[in-house]
Amino acid sequence: EAGVVQSPRYKIIEKKQPVAFWCNPISGHNTLYWYLQNLGQGPELLIRYENEEAVDDSQLPKDRFSAERLKGVDSTLKIQPAELGDSAVYLCASSLDGIEQFFGPGTRLTVL
Amino acid sequence: GEDVEQSLFLSVREGDSSVINCTYTDSSSTYLYWYKQEPGAGLQLLTYIFSNMDMKQDQRLTVLLNKKDKHLSLRIADTQTGDSAIYFCAEGGYQKVTFGTGTKLQVIP
Repeated sequence: EAGVVQSPRYKIIEKKQPVAFWCNPISGHNTLYWYLQNLGQGPELLIRYENEEAVDDSQLPKDRFSAERLKGVDSTLKIQPAELGDSAVYLCASSLDGIEQFFGPGTRLTVL
Repeated sequence: GEDVEQSLFLSVREGDSSVINCTYTDSSSTYLYWYKQEPGAGLQLLTYIFSNMDMKQDQRLTVLLNKKDKHLSLRIADTQTGDSAIYFCAEGGYQKVTFGTGTKLQVIP
C-alpha cells in the first residue's frame, strides 16, 4: 500500500513569493492533516479535513495561508506571500480511524 | 491547555535498553503515542496506548503509562544503531493530537 505522498520535497523561494505544497493521502483515508514542524520542535496542526470539509483550521494563519481539498482526496496548502519565518517542514498526514495518523515525508521550505 | 514535555537527548550503547520519558498535562487524553522520526523523513507511528491501560508491549518496545502522574515512557530493548532517531511523545483524543518537542536518541556502537 502506498503511503502519504508529498511534493515537492524541497522548495527554496525568496520572501514575498507564493508557494504551494501538494499532498496525496493514503487511499480511503477520509481525514487529512497539515502540520508545521519548526526545527527542533514537534509538529503543530495547521488544518484538519474530514473529506472535503475543513473541520479545524483554528491554527491556520489565514492572512497568508490557504488550503483546499477538492473532491476529498488530494490537498494543497498555499502561502502567499511567504515570509522568512515560514521556513520549516510542512507535513501532511492522513487517517482512516482518527486514531492512527500516517505521515508523509514532508516538504522542507526555505525562504530567503 | 495541552503541553507535552520530553528531555532533549539520550545516549545509549548498542545492546543496552533505552528509556525515553514524557510528561503530559491533559488528563482527558484518550490515547498516548510514540512516533519515530529519522533525518529527512516524516513521523512513523511506533505504538500507542489507550489511557485506561498501564502497559503495552510490542516486540522490543514497552510502553508504560502512569496516569496519576501523567507520565509516559518508552523502553526499547536491545537498542540497535538503526534506532537512532528523534522520538516524539504525543497525547490526544479522537482526531486531535499534541506532540512533544522530541527526544534525540543516539546509539553508540
